[in-house]
Amino acid sequence: GQQLNQSPQSMFIQEGEDVSMNCTSSSIFNTWLWYKQDPGEGPVLLIALYKAGELTSNGRLTAQFGITRKDSFLNISASIPSDVGIYFCAGHLISMEYGNKLVFGAGTILRVKS
Amino acid sequence: KAGVTQTPRYLIKTRGQQVTLSCSPISGHRSVSWYQQTPGQGLQFLFEYFSETQRNKGNFPGRFSGRQFSNSRSEMNVSTLELGDSALYLCASSLDRVAEKLFFGSGTQLSVL
Repeated sequence: GQQLNQSPQSMFIQEGEDVSMNCTSSSIFNTWLWYKQDPGEGPVLLIALYKAGELTSNGRLTAQFGITRKDSFLNISASIPSDVGIYFCAGHLISMEYGNKLVFGAGTILRVKS
Repeated sequence: KAGVTQTPRYLIKTRGQQVTLSCSPISGHRSVSWYQQTPGQGLQFLFEYFSETQRNKGNFPGRFSGRQFSNSRSEMNVSTLELGDSALYLCASSLDRVAEKLFFGSGTQLSVL
């Protein structure tokens, strides 16, 4: 079945630094999404990407849909303490074989030192 | 517009018991999905309901079941609880059948002793 390999598993960075995380898969996805989960809450959608090669920004966040449709990355510029949380990538696939599937990565835990 | 509401927020049960969790989706959303979250395992898909019908199911044993009512509210049930069922159970709703943009509730934290 489809699996997403998300890295790194965790990061501990200095406030003001840029952050980069990525997701790879052996499967092709129609849509890539990035969610953030704050402590004690459910994940919230940050960015959705719909076309191979698409680069999308949301404030200090930038994400790209890989050309091969098998990977995506998320960058956070100038990190601040409220960026702490767990970041999940997700790939969405609609196919005759698998139906309608949304697969999540294992998450990247981000901690920021102020 | 109210978000996704999950009740209860916390639950403590003992092995062998059964539990029912409730989820009220965002008004107008017809798709409800359930996920299990454990540390290091990420979000594991349990099942998805759309218009009272289960459309997708993950790789969980038959002890995990769910249903959706005509008002789109959903419940999931876990019977014969095991220690390994301790987890955060998240419900998510989506506007339509192609449920990639999910809106999550805050979850029910289940502890099995």
